Amino acid sequence: RKEVEQDPGPFNVPEGATVAFNCTYSNSASQSFFWYRQDCRKELKLLMSVYSSGNEDGRFTAQLNRASQYISLLIRDSKLSDSATYLCVVNPSNTGKLIFGQGTTLQVKP
Amino acid sequence: GAVVSQHPSRVICKSGTSVKIECRSLDFQATTMFWYRQFPKQSLMLMATSNEGSKATYEQGVEKDKFLINHASLTLSTLTVTSAHPEDSSFYICSARDPAEGNTEAFFGQGTRLTVV
Repeated sequence: RKEVEQDPGPFNVPEGATVAFNCTYSNSASQSFFWYRQDCRKELKLLMSVYSSGNEDGRFTAQLNRASQYISLLIRDSKLSDSATYLCVVNPSNTGKLIFGQGTTLQVKP
Repeated sequence: GAVVSQHPSRVICKSGTSVKIECRSLDFQATTMFWYRQFPKQSLMLMATSNEGSKATYEQGVEKDKFLINHASLTLSTLTVTSAHPEDSSFYICSARDPAEGNTEAFFGQGTRLTVV
């Protein structure tokens, strides 16, 4: 079993749609969690950290369920510019060594 | 926020030659940096942890004699792919954390696309 698993997609959605990505992790002692975005040029950008209480940043909402070892990302009102690969990332020991999911590809169509 | 700069962004080299990739923390000191590799349609995989002033720690399956890491200062780590072969063609990316900003977010370099021909 992979340490971090994501549905690779691709998810093809129309503009304005709401889309949700899921991620599971195997190490129950993992400390922190993130969603990163990777564009076609491969540069990685932090989208948001994920907290147990859930957090929202504009059209993006992240949730963490420690009991189920499950992380989610919800994107509302999708924009063309949201097209990218979204990486679920887990920091199992707070050392900076990150474990990446395979990434979920999102393609937003006009 | 903290910035990590990686250079070059793209390099093409001949088989058998060596390639050096630099990773710099521009506005903070990083005692530890991380090197990842990503093959097409696969997730990023940690290759090694670069420690300032000491030897790097390599992940299982990563050849330390092939991927030389030097972290001679608090703002610079280098990864040298020695005697490169076509199977080394990949996307290499470094990351670092700013200790002053707590132990959460990792900042990534822009990545280096290596193609060995």
